[in-house]
Amino acid sequence: AQSVAQPEDQVNVAEGNPLTVKCTYSVSGNPYLFWYVQYPNRGLQFLLKYITGDNLVKGSYGFEAEFNKSQTSFHLKKPSALVSDSALYFCAVRDRPGNTPLVFGKGTRLSVIA
Amino acid sequence: EAQVTQNPRYLITVTGKKLTVTCSQNMNHEYMSWYRQDPGLGLRQIYYSMNVEVTDKGDVPEGYKVSRKEKRNFPLILESPSPNQTSLYFCASSLYPGDTAGYTFGSGTRLTVV
Repeated sequence: AQSVAQPEDQVNVAEGNPLTVKCTYSVSGNPYLFWYVQYPNRGLQFLLKYITGDNLVKGSYGFEAEFNKSQTSFHLKKPSALVSDSALYFCAVRDRPGNTPLVFGKGTRLSVIA
Repeated sequence: EAQVTQNPRYLITVTGKKLTVTCSQNMNHEYMSWYRQDPGLGLRQIYYSMNVEVTDKGDVPEGYKVSRKEKRNFPLILESPSPNQTSLYFCASSLYPGDTAGYTFGSGTRLTVV
């Protein structure tokens, strides 16, 4: 069975500092990995994904994530945080091959302080 | 514009009064799904549908019903709502469950049952 863990409920970072939101996963095969962001009173929006290829994936709004197979991690990063990055972030995973739905983590709330 | 549309955005109702939350997508997606989001619990899948007339239970189906009579619509029905169904609900869709493009989410429906 596939699962995903986001070990931090809340991450606080000062504006301009680098940020990391952690995600670890468990699958029986090779993973497809996704990050979504939820701004207040909005639905989830796609940020980036890892399907295959380069372990460093770049996405929207300057975010990137690094796939690390040995550590089964897919941490979300940004070199310089903005106050507008404050939101709820969800990691999601599914096994491949197959046609199973995505499994989501519980979310990490990011607060960027000016 | 490609989108998933949920209605209503906000709903306050009384215990036991049947209600329906509508979800419609204009992307000809086969896969549709309902989630509820609760603090500390993340996204939990209620029901999903692989195609027209094909629905299946997710992780927390008790107290909910769905139907998929046509591809674009996937309504969520609460026959007898109870206060523990107070939550934020999201509808999502994709071409198929394992689509590498990920899911498109609606803007959410905040339901309060008093």
